[in-house]
Amino acid sequence: DVKVTQSSRYLVKRTGEKVFLECVQDMDHENMFWYRQDPGLGLRLIYFSYDVKMKEKGDIPEGYSVSREKKERFSLILESASTNQTSMYLCASRAGQGSSDTQYFGPGTRLTVL
Amino acid sequence: AQSVAQPEDQVNVAEGNPLTVKCTYSVSGNPYLFWYVQYPNRGLQFLLKYITGDNLVKGSYGFEAEFNKSQTSFHLKKPSALVSDSALYFCAVRDGNQFYFGTGTSLTVIP
Repeated sequence: DVKVTQSSRYLVKRTGEKVFLECVQDMDHENMFWYRQDPGLGLRLIYFSYDVKMKEKGDIPEGYSVSREKKERFSLILESASTNQTSMYLCASRAGQGSSDTQYFGPGTRLTVL
Repeated sequence: AQSVAQPEDQVNVAEGNPLTVKCTYSVSGNPYLFWYVQYPNRGLQFLLKYITGDNLVKGSYGFEAEFNKSQTSFHLKKPSALVSDSALYFCAVRDGNQFYFGTGTSLTVIP
């Protein structure tokens, strides 16, 4: 089974702090994704990566950056956390370009910015 | 652009009754459609997908979904609901490397 892990389940930070969210997958997937989930808005894509050191902006990249130095690890960085970044953050991974490949999700990190 | 819509924020159904969670899609080209379920404080779990072939797709936990091209719908169904089916359900469409999710439908199964 595919396993996607996230470094923290719950995180509380203060406004202005730099925040790192880590995601690791163990299935050698090429593609990795970061979403945020908010009530009534569903999942919105922040960034995704289709290879090591490669990244693409999603729908809401402002205020975020990402890093993918190794294939199995994809980090989301909040450069200066703000209260409107309080949310559930979900990481996902997916194998190659085949049309049948689904995404596999981690358990999520619930971030609160005070 | 590809998109999906889930017209119902909340669905309530009695235990043992059939359930339907609705999803409509808007795509250019062939649709690649998915259903996911999310239990409280958990990530999303894959339920089923439609890529091509039979319009009735069977998935995990007794769920199935019917692809209807003329109505551009991909409704999730189960013949007999369980209390443990209570969760948040998301419909999604894949476009290249990206997935586009609906806003989710909260299903409550009443004992």
